[in-house]
Amino acid sequence: TQLLEQSPQFLSIQEGENLTVYCNSSSVFSSLQWYRQEPGEGPVLLVTVVTGGEVKKLKRLTFQFGDARKDSSLHITAAQPGDTGLYLCAVRLRAGSYQLTFGKGTKLSVIP
Amino acid sequence: DAMVIQNPRYQVTQFGKPVTLSCSQTLNHNVMYWYQQKSSQAPKLLFHYYDKDFNNEADTPDNFQSRRPNTSFCFLDIRSPGLGDAAMYLCATSRVLGTAVSYEQYFGPGTRLTVT
Repeated sequence: TQLLEQSPQFLSIQEGENLTVYCNSSSVFSSLQWYRQEPGEGPVLLVTVVTGGEVKKLKRLTFQFGDARKDSSLHITAAQPGDTGLYLCAVRLRAGSYQLTFGKGTKLSVIP
Repeated sequence: DAMVIQNPRYQVTQFGKPVTLSCSQTLNHNVMYWYQQKSSQAPKLLFHYYDKDFNNEADTPDNFQSRRPNTSFCFLDIRSPGLGDAAMYLCATSRVLGTAVSYEQYFGPGTRLTVT
């Protein structure tokens, strides 16, 4: 059983469409991070959310941390081909630790 | 630019032939990590160094070893690669001080290992 369930696993959309991907768990976390991994590259941090109910915006990307700090969503407005990649959520299993556990990711393809 | 560098980007080795993957960083971070990522799977932490202290994950096979001769360099040694070890190997770093809420990890581009 995966600690972090990301859905959908694959998503293919047309340029200009909106989309939401999800990261869910039955566990409570002190913080959650979203990374984007482009093909052939390592993951790059997009955002860290800490407070339940927190919403953070990064240009066309909106991140939300669930009120109970068990889940998170990433919404992309007007997707562009440059958004193509693997979106990974990651958490620390124990407060005070610095190691991350990753979800399997959502593989997004934005078609021009 | 400060960065995490992995060499080579692509590595082909034979079944059972030892192979070493390299990682270097110019960020002067105190923690370095090695992850294994197979197709359509999450990056899986193999081990990490906190300064010179080596921390192995419980389920990391003995076939995998690591060395960190100094702050900047870290190596992943696979003593006898099997076909199941074919994967992307990612090196990452972070600067861990005190008890911050979260730490960003900076990843290298990865080395894709093929075992023939």
